[in-house]
Amino acid sequence: GNSVTQMEGPVTLSEEAFLTINCTYTATGYPSLFWYVQYPGEGLQLLLKATKADDKGSNKGFEATYRKETTSFHLEKGSVQVSDSAVYFCALSDLTQGGSEKLVFGKGMKLTVNP
Amino acid sequence: DAGVIQSPRHEVTEMGQEVTLRCKPISGHNSLFWYRQTMMRGLELLIYFNNNVPIDDSGMPEDRFSAKMPNASFSTLKIQPSEPRDSAVYFCASSWTSRNIQYFGAGTRLSVL
Repeated sequence: GNSVTQMEGPVTLSEEAFLTINCTYTATGYPSLFWYVQYPGEGLQLLLKATKADDKGSNKGFEATYRKETTSFHLEKGSVQVSDSAVYFCALSDLTQGGSEKLVFGKGMKLTVNP
Repeated sequence: DAGVIQSPRHEVTEMGQEVTLRCKPISGHNSLFWYRQTMMRGLELLIYFNNNVPIDDSGMPEDRFSAKMPNASFSTLKIQPSEPRDSAVYFCASSWTSRNIQYFGAGTRLSVL
């Protein structure tokens, strides 16, 4: 089945630093790719997504580009803030029995941003 | 929209007791997912329903775990008997089948002593 490998961290950065979180995937077909974020004490929420090769997802200053040639979907932000401290999950879609889709998540990476 | 609602938010129980976790999905969503999150194993999909029917339960750890979805607005995850290794945060998520964005509840933190 499809799988995702991402940086696990934890990572600590200073405010305004540049952030890259690597994510690579193994998949048959053309899955959709996602980044989810989990703030302390909360459930996961969608940060951004891309549905086909060369698509760029963006939200809240974060960006990720679907790279089919390198099977990657790296998350970047040019200047992180303290409020970006969270756990970040890379995920891709996978077909279940019956043709519906489920998500396969990476292990998550904890980011702490210090003032 | 109230989002996905889970209850209770926290549950502390003793080994051997029955535990029931509850989930109300977003109205209009027809897919529902139960996940377990631990430090050691990360986020694991336990079971997935589509139109109230269990589609994939390959992630359910063992027979002590069971899940039901009697109608489109309610699901339960039951552990009987509970064991300390079941301690985790359990998340419920819902989505439209034709769209693959999942919306997560705030989770239930379970501690089995």
